[in-house]
Amino acid sequence: KQEVTQIPAALSVPEGENLVLNCSFTDSAIYNLQWFRQDPGKGLTSLLLIQSSQREQTSGRLNASLDKSSGRSTLYIAASQPGDSATYLCAVVGETSGSRLTFGEGTQLTVNP
Amino acid sequence: NAGVMQNPRHLVRRRGQEARLRCSPMKGHSHVYWYRQLPEEGLKFMVYLQKENIIDESGMPKERFSAEFPKEGPSILRIQQVVRGDSAAYFCASSTGGLPYEQYFGPGTRLTVT
Repeated sequence: KQEVTQIPAALSVPEGENLVLNCSFTDSAIYNLQWFRQDPGKGLTSLLLIQSSQREQTSGRLNASLDKSSGRSTLYIAASQPGDSATYLCAVVGETSGSRLTFGEGTQLTVNP
Repeated sequence: NAGVMQNPRHLVRRRGQEARLRCSPMKGHSHVYWYRQLPEEGLKFMVYLQKENIIDESGMPKERFSAEFPKEGPSILRIQQVVRGDSAAYFCASSTGGLPYEQYFGPGTRLTVT
């Protein structure tokens, strides 16, 4: 059974810092890994999707990497801003789980002005 | 091109009533997924549907919960005889159904059972 773990559970940083969020998964047989952002009381916004054949994806100040063999992904946020404050969720689609997403518990990020 | 739409956004039901949650997928998407987020917990898969077919319902509670995605109209998640433990945010996502299985989420329906 696929399990996804995110570390840390919460993170508080001053504005301007570069930071890294970690995600690990137990079964490396995946089709893709997605990073989402969730604001309080809101839905999920897709940030980046990395297919199993890819090593990384970039969008603006965000960079996500994937090491499928070791079951790890990182989300790098450069020059953090207060508007980046949200919960960041990592999710995978496993090769043996149909096309459903298995989510981690999330990292709650606070960027202080 | 409208995104995934869910309604109502907030729903209050008394114990024992029925709750109906609706989801309209993105244009061009024929695959719908329902996920539940209980308070202080992560998102958990419930059910995966194609038009007129349930593909995977392995995450659905065995009783009181059902889902459908008819040929015409939105997907419906139905909860009969709601209990306080059903209070949660219910999210719908849609996809084209093909690789890389990217899913797009709606804003969710927040169900409160009093």
